[in-house]
Amino acid sequence: DQQVKQNSPSLSVQEGRISILNCDYTNSMFDYFLWYKKYPAEGPTFLISISSIKDKNEDGRFTVFLNKSAKHLSLHIVPSQPGDSAVYFCAAPQYGGSQGNLIFGKGTKLSVKP
Amino acid sequence: DSGVTQTPKHLITATGQRVTLRCSPRSGDLSVYWYQQSLDQGLQFLIQYYNGEERAKGNILERFSAQQFPDLHSELNLSSLELGDSALYFCASSSLIGRGPDTQYFGPGTRLTVL
Repeated sequence: DQQVKQNSPSLSVQEGRISILNCDYTNSMFDYFLWYKKYPAEGPTFLISISSIKDKNEDGRFTVFLNKSAKHLSLHIVPSQPGDSAVYFCAAPQYGGSQGNLIFGKGTKLSVKP
Repeated sequence: DSGVTQTPKHLITATGQRVTLRCSPRSGDLSVYWYQQSLDQGLQFLIQYYNGEERAKGNILERFSAQQFPDLHSELNLSSLELGDSALYFCASSSLIGRGPDTQYFGPGTRLTVL
């Protein structure tokens, strides 16, 4: 049973436009979420996180939105740049809280075209 | 650069063999996690060590084992290798201090190919 789902395997956007990457979860215990970015031949890199006490967290061009009632979060990248082209993973600590081993979605490959 | 190092970067071996993957965490991090990423799966948690002690176990096969040494580096041992063990193996470390949010920092991974 996949507890963290990223239903879009890929997304292509034009440079300068907004990229929206989506993530759904099924486990109500999850109350902290992280986004990681992964380039080929590298390990995942932490991007941004959000606690369930918030519905939005912003860091520069990256904003994560959390809709607890819908068990849905999204990552917005504005404006998108070619260097943002990577695989993006949504993750949550398996047993709730904000610590411990992570459950990952299968990732969305973002391509930003110049 | 996350500060987490993994060796080797690539490993090619045959079925039935045994290999050891090594991870050095970021300076000061006490917690080490091992994850496996195979083609048809996302990142799957294998095992966690904290300051030398096993802390949590995921879907780790009995043929696999790990340990964390006094200098905090960790090794993942994979034995009786099968074709299906071919995957990327990532190590992550975190400080895990107190109860606050704990970010895991990942190494570059070891790509294991079993022929």
